[in-house]
Amino acid sequence: GAGVSQTPSNKVTEKGKYVELRCDPISGHTALYWYRQSLGQGPEFLIYFQGTGAADDSGLPNDRFFAVRPEGSVSTLKIQRTERGDSAVYLCASSQAGADTIYFGEGSWLTVV
Amino acid sequence: KQEVTQIPAALSVPEGENLVLNCSFTDSAIYNLQWFRQDPGKGLTSLLLIQSSQREQTSGRLNASLDKSSGRSTLYIAASQPGDSATYLCAVFGGSSGTYKYIFGTGTRLKVLA
Repeated sequence: GAGVSQTPSNKVTEKGKYVELRCDPISGHTALYWYRQSLGQGPEFLIYFQGTGAADDSGLPNDRFFAVRPEGSVSTLKIQRTERGDSAVYLCASSQAGADTIYFGEGSWLTVV
Repeated sequence: KQEVTQIPAALSVPEGENLVLNCSFTDSAIYNLQWFRQDPGKGLTSLLLIQSSQREQTSGRLNASLDKSSGRSTLYIAASQPGDSATYLCAVFGGSSGTYKYIFGTGTRLKVLA
């Protein structure tokens, strides 16, 4: 596609449930990032993929969060045993190379009730 | 640890004014700096990217400068319009520890009054 695509755009889930958020980057972009943004804050780094491998996962808050990019294109962010504090917008971005202009998707708005 | 600060947090100006948004960062060993725009409920749109070797970049009414040694960047918006109302974020890539990711500030919320 022309831009970074994220699904679902909105997700409401109950506390304790499992959630998957999907990101389809711009075709040919090798670098993919996941960020989390709370209201009134800047995006907070979660994880960075270069190709299929996670080059930096230092931003994942705990072991309930996990992300994969098995074929070097689409990525899935997985959150286990969701908590109300996980409620935020999850943003995905991609770039041709790491230190390059990055393009963001519209985000997945997660609400844990 | 790289930290990015943006001042002011919010700004309200009448249409037509020239304005300056500020961004500062604590670790000057960056690869580049980007300025983004974010409209309410939307993702981020890249406005300008300045490489660490550059001093400024221009796009239309926007001009961004970078003083890497002092850890500062400014975004200058000329002849502001109501359509410029949005949150503006700066982000730096890299640092002394070899950080290979963008670190964002908390943004400046701009409102341009007609």
